[in-house]
This record gives sequence, C-alpha cells and structure tokens, in this order.
Amino acid sequence: DVVLTQSPLSLPVTLGQPASISCRSSQSLVHSDGNTYLNWFQQRPGQSPRRLIYKVSKRDSGVPERFSGSGSGTDFTLKISSVEAEDVGVYYCMQGTHWPLYTFGQGTKLEIK
Amino acid sequence: EVQLVQSGAEVKKPGESLKISCQTSGYTFTNCWIGWVRQLPGKGLEWMGIIYPSDSEIRYNPSFQGQVTISADKSISTAYLQWHSLKVSDTAMYFCARIAARLVGFDYWGQGTLVTVSS
Repeated sequence: DVVLTQSPLSLPVTLGQPASISCRSSQSLVHSDGNTYLNWFQQRPGQSPRRLIYKVSKRDSGVPERFSGSGSGTDFTLKISSVEAEDVGVYYCMQGTHWPLYTFGQGTKLEIK
Repeated sequence: EVQLVQSGAEVKKPGESLKISCQTSGYTFTNCWIGWVRQLPGKGLEWMGIIYPSDSEIRYNPSFQGQVTISADKSISTAYLQWHSLKVSDTAMYFCARIAARLVGFDYWGQGTLVTVSS
C-alpha cells in the first residue's frame, strides 16, 4: 500500500510569511500514462475538505494564486507564498495514481503564530 | 452548480443499523464516481469506498470491506452509505465526494454527516 507522509504535522506561521508543507510517498506516484496524480486539500475548522491543487501543480478554480504545488516522483510540496488568516486549517495530500486505492497523508495543521 | 447534500446527524446505539445519504445535483450523476470518506473525531481523512452509479461498480478500501455497504439510486441521483450493525468506533464524520476523473480523485464534497454511536 502507498503511504503518504506529511511534514511538519504542525506549522505555526506569522501572517504574511510563507509556508511550506512536504508530502513524501512510499512509492512513485508517476502513472503509466505519464501523469502524476497528487492532490492537496484544505480543511478549515468545522468545514468539509476543499481541493486546492490537482495533478501536482494545477490550481482548482477559485483557489488564490498564493497556493502552489510542486514536486515529482515521490516528493511533493505545497507552498503558500504569504499566509493569510483564512488559511488556518489542516492540509492533506492525497494520491490517485494507485486507483482505486486512494491514500491521504495524515494532515498538517497550519496555525497563526 | 455542482452540489452534494448529505442527510442530517444521527445518534444510534451499538448494534443498530443506519443508512445515510448524499443527494447530488448540478451534473450528470451517472458520469462520475462518488466516494465516501471517514473522519474520526480529531483525526485525518480515510477513503472508505467509491461507486460508479452508471453500472453500480463498487470499490472498497480493504480496511472497510465488509463493514459498510455503498449503493446508489440513479433515479434520484443519490448515493448511500449503510451499516448493518453499528459499533461505538463508527462514531465519526462521514463525507461524500464526487470524483469527476477517477485518477484525479475527489473534487466536490458534501457537508458531512455526523454519526454518533453510544449506548
């Protein structure tokens, strides 16, 4: 089974400062079709998850440009260029390459210092 | 506008049965997979299983196989998650989510259904 390991698990950030979350996979997430199916989700307190990024770096509609995704193979990163108060919540990576066995990372809690 | 509206919170006793629903609108129900995701109190997201309503193909996470039943009713664009005998450990928030492209995974999510199992 594919295991996704996120770090850090807790991320205190000062408003206006950048933030970075790592997601490492136990197996390559490159699909036989050449694409890499790694997503990032945001879950604000008391809300449903919301997808921010799909296929490593593609932003979903309505997602602010301060969110960006990068990476390849087994190592991926979500970056927030300048953290705002509304970014507080838990961030999850998720792989779909090994469908139907989707996997989520354990989550990274972003809070404001 | 794509919407997934889930049924309301439930409080049940151990051993009871339960079926929760996820009513969809704003897209062609039979063209997309629907999945169910569990979130234990204060914990992360776990994929439980997915269904393709067009032909009712179902794939379960092995961790949930035999513990729950997923189904769908094409006539009312609704997916279901069912338990035959609830346990206290089933207490959690359950989300349904649409999968427009199976490898890309979940895009639109329901608001969640809180299931509480307590004697």
